Amino acid sequence: ETGVTQSPTHLIKTRGQQVTLRCSSQSGHNTVSWYQQALGQGPQFIFQYYREEENGRGNFPPRFSGLQFPNYSSELNVNALELDDSALYLCASSLGRGSYNEQFFGPGTRLTVL
Amino acid sequence: DAKTTQPPSMDCAEGRAANLPCNHSTISGNEYVYWYRQIHSQGPQYIIHGLKNNETNEMASLIITEDRKSSTLILPHATLRDTAVYYCIVRSLNTDKLIFGTGTRLQVFP
Repeated sequence: ETGVTQSPTHLIKTRGQQVTLRCSSQSGHNTVSWYQQALGQGPQFIFQYYREEENGRGNFPPRFSGLQFPNYSSELNVNALELDDSALYLCASSLGRGSYNEQFFGPGTRLTVL
Repeated sequence: DAKTTQPPSMDCAEGRAANLPCNHSTISGNEYVYWYRQIHSQGPQYIIHGLKNNETNEMASLIITEDRKSSTLILPHATLRDTAVYYCIVRSLNTDKLIFGTGTRLQVFP
């Protein structure tokens, strides 16, 4: 157990809908990163939040957005869902930015878009 | 970030050492080698990381060649619970994102 929790565990949406995924960081961690993992692929970096501000973004369109709260928990929002958004969404928390500190991953949210 | 190359799959007998290779021939001087593993349907788990010296912890050993162009993760006594996808990642301290490849699927058999 890493102390990183995600909700919900599974989610089914239809194309065009919007979804919000949630992540609670490990205690004391101020940095949260989000990853998308399609079936059979490695996780792909979406973006990272450090102390409530976006700190780096991967090659994802603007309909993927995020938020980090003062308690360092985080949300990932995806608008106008597409079939290809079906994936496992992982969040990872870490302490600090630009450090070698390891990232602790949550169990993920499995999103299915029909 | 440098790219890594790993074999898609490997087998290992339970109790034997599992040696997982990784090539990172374009690694830069300030980039670390990280290893994570992902057991089916779980989030990736950190294993070990290193810069240029060999490293060992309670889970594994990391051997990095002198030219730093390749490395080997060693699980000294593999168990069935070590069956997972193992990812070798090269990471710069200038960025916090982890760039995963497709990894090596290690199957430990009885």
